Amino acid sequence: EVQLAQSGAEVKEPGESLRISCKASGYKFTKYWINWVRQMPGKGLEWIGRIDPSDSYTNYRPSFQGHVTISADKSISTVHLQWSSLRPSDTAMYYCARFPVKFTHNTTSHWGQGTLVTVSS
Amino acid sequence: DIQMTQSPSTLSASVGDSVTITCRASQNIVSWLAWYQQKPGKAPNLLIYQASSLESGVPSRFSGTGSGTEFTLTISGLQPDDFATYYCQQYNTSPITFGQGTRLEIK
Repeated sequence: EVQLAQSGAEVKEPGESLRISCKASGYKFTKYWINWVRQMPGKGLEWIGRIDPSDSYTNYRPSFQGHVTISADKSISTVHLQWSSLRPSDTAMYYCARFPVKFTHNTTSHWGQGTLVTVSS
Repeated sequence: DIQMTQSPSTLSASVGDSVTITCRASQNIVSWLAWYQQKPGKAPNLLIYQASSLESGVPSRFSGTGSGTEFTLTISGLQPDDFATYYCQQYNTSPITFGQGTRLEIK
């Protein structure tokens, strides 16, 4: 069974750094891209970016580029999302997910349970 | 970026009704569109991929149509479990983008 297990909720102050994680199991980790999605309180879904775990190639939505970093550790089948300096506007639920991919047999989607990040002084 | 516009934003309906949600893309996305259902406090769940293909395990009352820039999700014979928020997502071009969501409420 495919599972994406995310790390627990975090409460941080503005300016602090943070790394949250997403551990994959039940499939070959390097075969599928992993995406990160933000959902601010009461709002919709925003794609942050994605990583190819086979070679750690990443691409980001421009509005997130430079503010977050996505990385992968193949040795533990885990993808990370990190910030070097959090802002109150980073308060949100963050999901890791696999999405369907065009022109492939990868037609399904799997999501982590979400990690709630709260940034407040 | 490709803008995805859903309508309506909110929809009120009764159990047994049939409803349709529309999603328009600002550019041609061929058929690379997915529909998700999200319930409060839960991660989204895939319903439809490639515009019209039903995900395994999803009830057949859900159906999707469309190609190019206009797409629809229809739920035929609403069940109590269907009252949730629905999102379309294009995966034709990076950055991947979602519609703003349609909240389906009980009338």
